Amino acid sequence: DAGVTQSPTHLIKTRGQQVTLRCSPISGHKSVSWYQQVLGQGPQFIFQYYEKEERGRGNFPDRFSARQFPNYSSELNVNALLLGDSALYLCASSARGGNSPLHFGNGTRLTVT
Amino acid sequence: AQKITQTQPGMFVQEKEAVTLDCTYDTSDPSYGLFWYKQPSSGEMIFLIYQGSYDQQNATEGRYSLNFQKARKSANLVISASQLGDSAMYFCAMREEGTDSWGKLQFGAGTQVVVTP
Repeated sequence: DAGVTQSPTHLIKTRGQQVTLRCSPISGHKSVSWYQQVLGQGPQFIFQYYEKEERGRGNFPDRFSARQFPNYSSELNVNALLLGDSALYLCASSARGGNSPLHFGNGTRLTVT
Repeated sequence: AQKITQTQPGMFVQEKEAVTLDCTYDTSDPSYGLFWYKQPSSGEMIFLIYQGSYDQQNATEGRYSLNFQKARKSANLVISASQLGDSAMYFCAMREEGTDSWGKLQFGAGTQVVVTP
């Protein structure tokens, strides 16, 4: 079975631009979570979506938004990019609750210049 | 406030030796889960092991075991018989079950492990 897939793998944008990152979960997983990992730090939670509804939001500005589609894939949008948005963006899928681990994709490395 | 603390920024370990990675956590939620992930230089996050707060026994998965000391709020990862392929960043993470957002894990800063021949 395919794991979590993310696209694109790398992206270079200019300050002020907008970016869309995409994620397809493991088949059968209805939950998708997004994380930002700045170089040298642990991942920080941005959003969780389950059954197309937002289930959790981390401490990120409104420039960050996301949505989940009927096939459970998800997009993360970031508007008005800042240099500080340069990071590895990780998507994870999981079954619901309990001891279900998050299964991560390989990430999208975003560089803002 | 930091919820997950990993005090060892980096460690060297010889091949075939065991290594213990420290993790302490802070929560008032009586129900929580603790996870360890491995992140090689390629960037992927690989799930290693899980320990639930109500589990009576320490979790084990192959060469990985979790030394869970609930009263001390400690969840140390033990890797036995280290291999060169174990060289990576290791993250401890916590899920607090009191929220409805099970997709939210709180991660520590990580410990970089380098296995030497």
